[in-house]
Amino acid sequence: GAVVSQHPSWVICKSGTSVKIECRSLDFQATTMFWYRQFPKKSLMLMATSNEGSKATYEQGVEKDKFLINHASLTLSTLTVTSAHPEDSSFYICSAIPPPKGLAGDTEFFGPGTRLTVL
Amino acid sequence: AQKITQTQPGMFVQEKEAVTLDCTYDTSDPSYGLFWYKQPSSGEMIFLIYQGSYDQQNATEGRYSLNFQKARKSANLVISASQLGDSAMYFCAMREGMNTGFQKLVFGTGTRLLVSP
Repeated sequence: GAVVSQHPSWVICKSGTSVKIECRSLDFQATTMFWYRQFPKKSLMLMATSNEGSKATYEQGVEKDKFLINHASLTLSTLTVTSAHPEDSSFYICSAIPPPKGLAGDTEFFGPGTRLTVL
Repeated sequence: AQKITQTQPGMFVQEKEAVTLDCTYDTSDPSYGLFWYKQPSSGEMIFLIYQGSYDQQNATEGRYSLNFQKARKSANLVISASQLGDSAMYFCAMREGMNTGFQKLVFGTGTRLLVSP
């Protein structure tokens, strides 16, 4: 299967600081990437769809100014958590479809995730 | 309305035995895809198997098979010959047809599988 990487795998930061998480597709070009958030013992919640060269599409209830997404190249999307607070602590995981055919059967491949802890 | 339902929060199985993880779904779209992912304690989501709504045969991938019963709207995952490394969280997910644009993947609440020696 396709390989998606994330960096860092974990990060601890102070309240009020910003944190950037990178998501890379290693062996394919990804015009579309996805960012999810997962709370402990819960399912994945889609935050936004990241489109290369255009603005991200955010899910209802997700703050665009809080979670900045940039998809500057066909292999890299970044999620920046701005002015992080303890309630932003969570597991963030990205995914990509290589390459999307526009079908229901497009398979998403996920990165290993980033565990963010805000003190 | 819940589109993907996994009614088993936890399952136990002995090593080398088979186990079935339940998943039911709800959609009125004739075109949809069903996926199963495994999430070990490390957190990574690992793709296991895919079943398309128009597929005539049940999908199989090694020790994984999908028991697809379209009329009952169920897509149960069967793991044969369980191994200790199968202990993980398992998520069922669905993506509906793309006729109205890209549709997101919707996940169930997951089933935690524990394989004992």
